[in-house]
Amino acid sequence: EAQVTQNPRYLITVTGKKLTVTCSQNMNHEYMSWYRQDPGLGLRQIYYSMNVEVTDKGDVPEGYKVSRKEKRNFPLILESPSPNQTSLYFCASSSPGQFDEQYFGPGTRLTVT
Amino acid sequence: GQQVMQIPQYQHVQEGEDFTTYCNSSTTLSNIQWYKQRPGGHPVFLIQLVKSGEVKKQKRLTFQFGEAKKNSSLHITATQTTDVGTYFCAGNRLYNQGGKLIFGQGTELSVKP
Repeated sequence: EAQVTQNPRYLITVTGKKLTVTCSQNMNHEYMSWYRQDPGLGLRQIYYSMNVEVTDKGDVPEGYKVSRKEKRNFPLILESPSPNQTSLYFCASSSPGQFDEQYFGPGTRLTVT
Repeated sequence: GQQVMQIPQYQHVQEGEDFTTYCNSSTTLSNIQWYKQRPGGHPVFLIQLVKSGEVKKQKRLTFQFGEAKKNSSLHITATQTTDVGTYFCAGNRLYNQGGKLIFGQGTELSVKP
């Protein structure tokens, strides 16, 4: 089954404790992105990657890091989480072309206290 | 900051009534996509519009892309309870940056049976 998986689905952590949210896709997609969703703000892109070892900042990259060492994986790293990073996070993947729809993962609900 | 504005933020309708959400960009878009997110779920791709003035239909849903490729709308005829969710537009800027979508804030639709 074609899918994007994220782990963990829920996470409660404390300020300053480094964490990684994993994302994996099995569709051989070139593009992968991370978004955060906050009430009233919609989906805001954090980082995106156009292929292995090619990443670029989205609209809200501060406080986040990413890496793309393999085509299927695109982990999101919070080196020192802060309460303003409490949010719902989505990973997405797509393939360039005429109908480059984004396939979203199930989401990760992060709470930073 | 946010460059794709979507209105209204909320819409409550009686089942059977029509519903429209509007999307406006400050810059010309190369294409626009629409997504639906059910409560507690993840965004799911509905459609992509590419051509100026394009109109596409999916059963009771009608999607339009403006002549100037700066605005778009989604119209649902005779809403049903299954239409409940948040509808997002997402645009690629004219000089496509591959995977760099800008999402609107979303319109949350509730349908009273």
